[in-house]
Amino acid sequence: QVQLVESGGGVVQPGRSLRLSCAASGFTFSSYGMLWVRQAPGKGLECVAVIWNDGSNKYYADSVKGRFTISRDNSKNTLYLQMNSLRVEDTAVYYCARDSSSGWYGGSRFDYWGQGTLLTVSS
Amino acid sequence: DIQMTQSPSSLSASVGDRVTITCRASQSISSYLNWYQQTPGKAPKHLIYDASTLRSGVPSRFSGSGSGTDFTLTINSLQPEDFAIYYCQHSYSIPGTFGQGTRLEIK
Repeated sequence: QVQLVESGGGVVQPGRSLRLSCAASGFTFSSYGMLWVRQAPGKGLECVAVIWNDGSNKYYADSVKGRFTISRDNSKNTLYLQMNSLRVEDTAVYYCARDSSSGWYGGSRFDYWGQGTLLTVSS
Repeated sequence: DIQMTQSPSSLSASVGDRVTITCRASQSISSYLNWYQQTPGKAPKHLIYDASTLRSGVPSRFSGSGSGTDFTLTINSLQPEDFAIYYCQHSYSIPGTFGQGTRLEIK
């Protein structure tokens, strides 16, 4: 069965960096686009970064562009999110999710989600 | 970016009731609309894609309809496990923004 397990969250000070990981299993990781979605406490969902199956294309939300980098290692079945220059407003649960196809297209859907990892940015 | 607006923001209903949640897009998104369910402390679960196609394994009491800018999620004969927050999300273009969510509570 498809499993996505995030790790790497924690408490960090503003301006610092952190890397999240998402270990995938139960499917052919290299065939699917992957993404990170975050949810601030008590708030809705925001897609912050998307990566195509082969890493050839990436997308970032304006709120994280220039600070966050999404990457993947298909040999390790792992998705990453490198987060630099963290801000208080980045505090959220970060979910990794699988796109239903190799990369974003009209009709994409996020069909499997991990359990999430909490990032708290606070001084 | 395309904005997604859900209504109502919250509603109360009883087990066995039928409820409808509305999602409106700021521009036409054809039928590129997903619905997700989130229970407290859990990750969202995908329910419906292409506005009206039920994902495999999702109970048939859930249904979706609409195209263009106006969409609905209907749940017939509410079950205790259906009380959750529901989100619509378009997939017409990146970033595929979500609606703000509709909280479905037990009356």
